[in-house]
Amino acid sequence: GAGVSQSPRYKVAKRGQDVALRCDPISGHVSLFWYQQALGQGPEFLTYFQNEAQLDKSGLPSDRFFAERPEGSVSTLKIQRTQQEDSAVYLCASSLRGVYGYTFGSGTRLTVV
Amino acid sequence: GQQLNQSPQSMFIQEGEDVSMNCTSSSIFNTWLWYKQDPGEGPVLLIALYKAGELTSNGRLTAQFGITRKDSFLNISASIPSDVGIYFCAGLTPTGANSKLTFGKGITLSVRP
Repeated sequence: GAGVSQSPRYKVAKRGQDVALRCDPISGHVSLFWYQQALGQGPEFLTYFQNEAQLDKSGLPSDRFFAERPEGSVSTLKIQRTQQEDSAVYLCASSLRGVYGYTFGSGTRLTVV
Repeated sequence: GQQLNQSPQSMFIQEGEDVSMNCTSSSIFNTWLWYKQDPGEGPVLLIALYKAGELTSNGRLTAQFGITRKDSFLNISASIPSDVGIYFCAGLTPTGANSKLTFGKGITLSVRP
């Protein structure tokens, strides 16, 4: 597609529920990133895929967070047993090569109640 | 961890005025970037800086990479209403075959007509 597509745009979850957030990168982009943006803050790196390989997951805040990209295109970020502190906008970005091709999606706003 | 500092949190200017924003870091980055984020959207790259001392322009935007590689500034000249948004500085750190971004907290710019 023309841009990075994320779904859903908004998600409300009850504390303790599991959620799955989807990212469709730009076609052909081999690098895919997930960032978490809390209210009033800048985005913070969560994890990075090169094709289907997860090469960096140093930013995942706990073992409740899990990301996958099984066929090297669509990626899913899963959060198990959601907590209130997980409320944030989750941004996905994809890149063909380098920072100039680094395109962000519009994000999924997760609210845990 | 690495932190980028941006202040003040908000700036209010009159249409037509120039504005300057600063960003400082506790660590050295080899690449600095400036992004703009509109409400409900992901960050969009404005300017990238690759060498200490580099001064780069993009239309009404000018940015400089500090000599110490620990700071940068962004100037916007002759502001217009569509300049409203959140401006983030970011540093680039290599990961795998690509790079991940460390963002500042952002400065919210308001432009009075």
